Amino acid sequence: GDSVTQMEGPVTLSEEAFLTINCTYTATGYPSLFWYVQYPGEGLQLLLKATKADDKGSNKGFEATYRKETTSFHLEKGSVQVSDSAVYFCALRAQGGSEKLVFGKGTKLTVNP
Amino acid sequence: GAGVSQSPSNKVTEKGKDVELRCDPISGHTALYWYRQSLGQGLEFLIYFQGNSAPDKSGLPSDRFSAERTGGSVSTLTIQRTQQEDSAVYLCASSPDRAFYEQYFGPGTRLTVT
Repeated sequence: GDSVTQMEGPVTLSEEAFLTINCTYTATGYPSLFWYVQYPGEGLQLLLKATKADDKGSNKGFEATYRKETTSFHLEKGSVQVSDSAVYFCALRAQGGSEKLVFGKGTKLTVNP
Repeated sequence: GAGVSQSPSNKVTEKGKDVELRCDPISGHTALYWYRQSLGQGLEFLIYFQGNSAPDKSGLPSDRFSAERTGGSVSTLTIQRTQQEDSAVYLCASSPDRAFYEQYFGPGTRLTVT
């Protein structure tokens, strides 16, 4: 079945450091790919998405590129802030099938001042 | 506007009891989803409702779990004869329609089975 694998956390960085959170997926065809973020005490929010190969999703300084050849959707940010501390989830929605999201296990990011 | 709301925010119950969890989706959203977030399993899909179509129940872990959606709006997830492994945060999400990519999540109900 479809699955998402993302790097285990926790990840601890200093403010202004570069962030990469790796995400790879297993699915047939061309799923849609997402990054969701869960800030402390809040619900899940969509951070960015990409719906076809080579698409780049971006939001709030975060970027991720849909790489079909490596089945990857790595999340990057050039300079993290303390306010980026949260849990980040990579997810996919299968092409033409169920509307459900399949999530990775989440990566907790802590940014220190 | 108002987001997805869920109640209760926390529920502690004894093993063997039944519980009901409620979700109020964003007004006008036709698609509604239930997920479960637990330490061991991460975020898992449970069930999906779309308009008047038959729900996709493929994620329900056992026949102790059921859900209904009344009038195309409010949904109730029922867990019968709760077990300790049911302890988790139960998340509800809604979406304007099946073709819309973003699912809007509620704050969740934390269920603890003692």
